Amino acid sequence: AQSVAQPEDQVNVAEGNPLTVKCTYSVSGNPYLFWYVQYPNRGLQFLLKYITGDNLVKGSYGFEAEFNKSQTSFHLKKPSALVSDSALYFCAVRDPILTGGGNKLTFGTGTQLKVEL
Amino acid sequence: DAGVIQSPRHEVTEMGQEVTLRCKPISGHNSLFWYRQTMMRGLELLIYFNNNVPIDDSGMPEDRFSAKMPNASFSTLKIQPSEPRDSAVYFCASSLEAAGTGELFFGEGSRLTVL
Repeated sequence: AQSVAQPEDQVNVAEGNPLTVKCTYSVSGNPYLFWYVQYPNRGLQFLLKYITGDNLVKGSYGFEAEFNKSQTSFHLKKPSALVSDSALYFCAVRDPILTGGGNKLTFGTGTQLKVEL
Repeated sequence: DAGVIQSPRHEVTEMGQEVTLRCKPISGHNSLFWYRQTMMRGLELLIYFNNNVPIDDSGMPEDRFSAKMPNASFSTLKIQPSEPRDSAVYFCASSLEAAGTGELFFGEGSRLTVL
């Protein structure tokens, strides 16, 4: 089975400071990893993904994530946080070994990011 | 592109009534997903379709829930009869299946309140 864990329910950071939102995963093979963001009363929006290649992945709105196979982690980062980054962030994983086709993603429980002035 | 379109955006109904939620995926996408989001349980996958065929419905809570995808441009999620514990935001998402590398595109959700 595939799973992801987001150990922090909430992360608080001051505007201008770097931010990190943590994610660890469990799959039987090489994972496909995703980050999504959800603003209040909206659907989830795709931020970035890791499929293969360079371990540092760059995405939308200045976000990036680092894939670390030895630590089974895929933490989301941004060098300088903005108040407008405040939202709910979800990590997701797909195990490509799973049979049945489709594109089933398993989501984490989400981390609320709060960026304050 | 208009994105994934869901209707209704808000639904308030009484216990025992039938509820039908609708979804129009992005044109050309061949995978469709129904998720439910609550504070207590987070984001749960209810069912997903690939090329209009249900692939995995193991997340459907019970027989009161059913989903159909009669064609590539339309899907419904039906709850009959509805119960207060079904109150949640229901999301539809679509994807272009490409060896599992494609991202999901979510609709704005249907907020269901069962009194």
